[in-house]
Amino acid sequence: GENVEQHPSTLSVQEGDSAVIKCTYSDSASNYFPWYKQELGKRPQLIIDIRSNVGEKKDQRIAVTLNKTAKHFSLHITETQPEDSAVYFCAASIYNQGGKLIFGQGTELSVKP
Amino acid sequence: GAVVSQHPSRVICKSGTSVKIECRSLDFQATTMFWYRQFPKQSLMLMATSNEGSKATYEQGVEKDKFLINHASLTLSTLTVTSAHPEDSSFYICSARDPQSNSPLHFGNGTRLTVT
Repeated sequence: GENVEQHPSTLSVQEGDSAVIKCTYSDSASNYFPWYKQELGKRPQLIIDIRSNVGEKKDQRIAVTLNKTAKHFSLHITETQPEDSAVYFCAASIYNQGGKLIFGQGTELSVKP
Repeated sequence: GAVVSQHPSRVICKSGTSVKIECRSLDFQATTMFWYRQFPKQSLMLMATSNEGSKATYEQGVEKDKFLINHASLTLSTLTVTSAHPEDSSFYICSARDPQSNSPLHFGNGTRLTVT
């Protein structure tokens, strides 16, 4: 089955700096890669997603890149703000299977003012 | 607004009792729902895939007799934790996707289970 590895487990940056989180996946059939932000005790919130027919996607300060050949994808957050502090999860799935997501281990991002 | 509703949000029960958690899709029919478990400071681990009208598919290592899943209608899946023990204390969260749209997965708000 699918296995998703995520690094780093913790990341501390200064406000205004960029943050990059990386994930690798194992199943070449996976074609949908969402990123979630989770605050303590709450459900994950989708922040951006990418499908395998696209190499890069951007939404304001957030971007995701995908390298299908290498089976890795990354989340880039620019101009970080303290409110970006949270746990971020990457995930992978085969989209037409209805949403069965396999999650990475999570990255605790801390943005220091 | 929430399109997947999960109840209860918090529950405390005694060891040996059973707890039922409900997951409802509010404005779409979900033939498939997913149940995840998240221990503190850990990732979301897929427990099982709930299939409407048929048996759930459990992930390796998840005891199907302990975590009973029922998906009797197109809008409701239930997870029952039977004979709960303190080690079952966790955050349980369901998810579903509207198969008729191109929308992403929707998560419920989760259920914090504490077994004393």
